[in-house]
Amino acid sequence: DSGVTQTPKHLITATGQRVTLRCSPRSGDLSVYWYQQSLDQGLQFLIQYYNGEERAKGNILERFSAQQFPDLHSELNLSSLELGDSALYFCASSITPGDPGTEAFFGQGTRLTVV
Amino acid sequence: GENVEQHPSTLSVQEGDSAVIKCTYSDSASNYFPWYKQELGKRPQLIIDIRSNVGEKKDQRIAVTLNKTAKHFSLHITETQPEDSAVYFCAARDSNYQLIWGAGTKLIIKP
Repeated sequence: DSGVTQTPKHLITATGQRVTLRCSPRSGDLSVYWYQQSLDQGLQFLIQYYNGEERAKGNILERFSAQQFPDLHSELNLSSLELGDSALYFCASSITPGDPGTEAFFGQGTRLTVV
Repeated sequence: GENVEQHPSTLSVQEGDSAVIKCTYSDSASNYFPWYKQELGKRPQLIIDIRSNVGEKKDQRIAVTLNKTAKHFSLHITETQPEDSAVYFCAARDSNYQLIWGAGTKLIIKP
């Protein structure tokens, strides 16, 4: 167990709908990362938050948004869902970007299926 | 910005042989290089990492080497076993403390 909790584990929804994925980082970790992994693909970085503020942005679609709350949990909102959004969404956390040698711990992921 | 290239995309080796996966990076300011293993349907997990002030690091059957001048680092797995079959990702942490990922290598261990 990495200490990073993601809910739900599985999600099936229809095209055009909106869903929210939730991530609780490890205790003490201030940084949260979101990744998308489509079938047999690599890890596509979406967005990073550090202590409540957006730190870096990757290939995140405008239909997607995220935030990190004061208690450091984070939510990834996906709207106007398309079939191609079906993927495994991972959240990872690390202590602080201030230490370059900080391991990122991954949650178990949320498998989103858009039908 | 940083760019990480990983080769090969697929590697098939005989059980007991060694496997080597290579990554190159572009940002000379990158200073932390982790390797993650991802088994099918599971989350990526750190297996070994190296900082820029070290040239090599070993942990039992796995080792990582770093050549800062050439800006490449490699994962070495010796005496491969069936449980080593997985996808391996390299990454480099750039000067913005952002992890930039390689595309992954699918390692297949043949019995």
